[in-house]
Amino acid sequence: EVQLVQSGAELKKPGESLRISCKGSGYSFTNYWINWVRQMPEKGLEWMGRIDPNDSYTNYSPSFQGHVSISCDKSINTAYLQLTSLKSSDTAIYYCARQTSGDFFHYWGHGTLVTVSS
Amino acid sequence: DIVMAQTPESLAVSLGERATINCKSSQSVFFGPNNKNYLAWYQQKPGQPPELLIYWASTRESGVPDRFSGSGSGTDFTLTISSLQAEDVAIYFCQQYYSTPFTFGPGTRVDLK
Repeated sequence: EVQLVQSGAELKKPGESLRISCKGSGYSFTNYWINWVRQMPEKGLEWMGRIDPNDSYTNYSPSFQGHVSISCDKSINTAYLQLTSLKSSDTAIYYCARQTSGDFFHYWGHGTLVTVSS
Repeated sequence: DIVMAQTPESLAVSLGERATINCKSSQSVFFGPNNKNYLAWYQQKPGQPPELLIYWASTRESGVPDRFSGSGSGTDFTLTISSLQAEDVAIYFCQQYYSTPFTFGPGTRVDLK
């Protein structure tokens, strides 16, 4: 069974950084891109970027380029999303999602709630 | 970027009645060489991640009830729930995966009347 297990909820102060993890299991981790999607409170879905775990090639949305960093460690089947210089507007649920035969998101993590508050 | 629009923002439908959600892309998401529309639909229930319903505009994901169907081509697409059930109360999003940045519609909330 394909599973994407994300790290737990985070409470951060403005200006801090954090790294969220997404561990894949039940499939060959290096065969499929991992994407990151943001959902702000009561809002829609925003694609942030993706990584090819095979070679760590990344592709970012211009809306998030420079503010986030996506990486992975294929030895432990885990992808990461790093956010720096956090602001209150970064408060959101962050999902990882895996593509399959096309660039639609077949499998989703349960989401990681990030709250940024002083 | 391809901008996705959805109508209506919300709708209330009686049990057993039809629900229709429209999605329009700012440019075509049809790729001629493989004759496919790069359009997916997701369902999101409160407190849960989105769940894939439809891909390639009209291919139902395994396990999705056949009351859900997708149609359309080019820039105009429709998700139809033929006979609404209580468990279908959710927000529905369309997504284009024709080009990056992948983009989603703003969502349509479906409630029971």
